[in-house]
Amino acid sequence: AQSVSQHNHHVILSEAASLELGCNYSYGGTVNLFWYVQYPGQHLQLLLKYFSGDPLVKGIKGFEAEFIKSKFSFNLRKPSVQWSDTAEYFCAAANTNAGKSTFGDGTTLTVKP
Amino acid sequence: DAGVIQSPRHEVTEMGQEVTLRCKPISGHDYLFWYRQTMMRGLELLIYFNNNVPIDDSGMPEDRFSAKMPNASFSTLKIQPSEPRDSAVYFCASATFYGYTFGSGTRLTVV
Repeated sequence: AQSVSQHNHHVILSEAASLELGCNYSYGGTVNLFWYVQYPGQHLQLLLKYFSGDPLVKGIKGFEAEFIKSKFSFNLRKPSVQWSDTAEYFCAAANTNAGKSTFGDGTTLTVKP
Repeated sequence: DAGVIQSPRHEVTEMGQEVTLRCKPISGHDYLFWYRQTMMRGLELLIYFNNNVPIDDSGMPEDRFSAKMPNASFSTLKIQPSEPRDSAVYFCASATFYGYTFGSGTRLTVV
């Protein structure tokens, strides 16, 4: 069965700390991978996506993610977090050319000022 | 592009009343999804459509919930009768294989 796992349910960091959120997927065939962010009181927004090519993908607000095929992983990173990065982060995967994604359970990031 | 438009933004209703939530997807997106989000259960997929056809409604919690997509530009999620445990934020999202675009959600409170 297709699944996406986010191992950290809640992460707490101080400002300027480095961030890495884990995401592993279990999918047959080639996949498209996504990270979405949901700021408090708002809806989910696309942060970045990977379809093919360079496995290191850069998104908005200084976020990046690395696709490691051998590990079935697509971890999200940011070198220095800010208080405004406090949000819930969702990893998602979909088969290539498919419109439906499977979402992970989300990781809540709290950044202390 | 106005994005995915949901209405109303907030809805407060009494237990037993019918509630209808509305969604206008992005033109050209061939998938439409309805999600429910609560603190206890997180983000739950209720039902999704592909080219206006319901594909999977296994997430619809009970027969009190129904959803329709009469055309490519409109979808509704109806709860009849509503109960306090239906209180949640309901999100509509439209998608292509490039990813999802979510609406701003409807915050439903059933008292």
